[in-house]
Amino acid sequence: DGGITQSPKYLFRKEGQNVTLSCEQNLNHDAMYWYRQDPGQGLRLIYYSQIVNDFQKGDIAEGYSVSREKKESFPLTVTSAQKNPTAFYLCASSQDSRNTEAFFGQGTRLTVV
Amino acid sequence: QKEVEQNSGPLSVPEGAIASLNCTYSDRGSQSFFWYRQYSGKSPELIMSIYSNGDKEDGRFTAQLNKASQYVSLLIRDSQPSDSATYLCAFVFTGGGNKLTFGTGTQLKVEL
Repeated sequence: DGGITQSPKYLFRKEGQNVTLSCEQNLNHDAMYWYRQDPGQGLRLIYYSQIVNDFQKGDIAEGYSVSREKKESFPLTVTSAQKNPTAFYLCASSQDSRNTEAFFGQGTRLTVV
Repeated sequence: QKEVEQNSGPLSVPEGAIASLNCTYSDRGSQSFFWYRQYSGKSPELIMSIYSNGDKEDGRFTAQLNKASQYVSLLIRDSQPSDSATYLCAFVFTGGGNKLTFGTGTQLKVEL
C-alpha cells in the first residue's frame, strides 16, 4: 500500500529533551517536506529536501534538524533549542520540488509536558 | 508582502450554493498552484492542481488561475455539509529554491 507514514501519531516530550519524528514514503518521490501547524493557523515550512543527501531550511528552521540519508526517509528532530514545540507536525512528499503535487502523512501531534 | 494571502473566514454558505474561495500570491515566477482541504484534526488532502491560466474543472470543483493578477480561486458547486472544512491554497515559491508555500486557509461552513 503506497503512501506516506508518520510515526508516532502522538508524542509527549519533557522540557529539555530532543525528540525525533519519523517520516517514510514508498512513492519513490524525490522531494520531502516538514511543516508545523499551530491551532487555527496555516502550515509553516520547517525544512525541505529536493533530493537525497540534500536539504534546505524553510521559514522556521531554528530549533529543528533533519537528515536525508535515504530517498524514502526524512526524519525531523525537535531539539531542546525549540522553545515552543507543541504543535501538529506534517510531513509531505512530491515527485519533484518544482511542479508536482504533494501528499501528506497523517501527522504527529507533539505536546511538551 | 506575505507570499500568499487568503481570507481566513469563516465563509458560510447554504447547502446547494456555490462557495468561492480566493487566494493571492506574490511570486510571479510560480508555475504550480494547488488547493488542499483539511478537516479538523486531520492532515491536508489535495483536491485540485492548476498550472495554466484559465479554469480547470473536476466534478463539483473548479479552480481558476490568473497569473497576470497573481490570483487563484476555487469554486465549489452544490455545496454539501461534508464540504465544511478549511481550504488551503499553496504554490511553489521559486524565489527561495522551490518552496511549497501555503496560505493560512479559509474556513468554509456549509449550513443546512
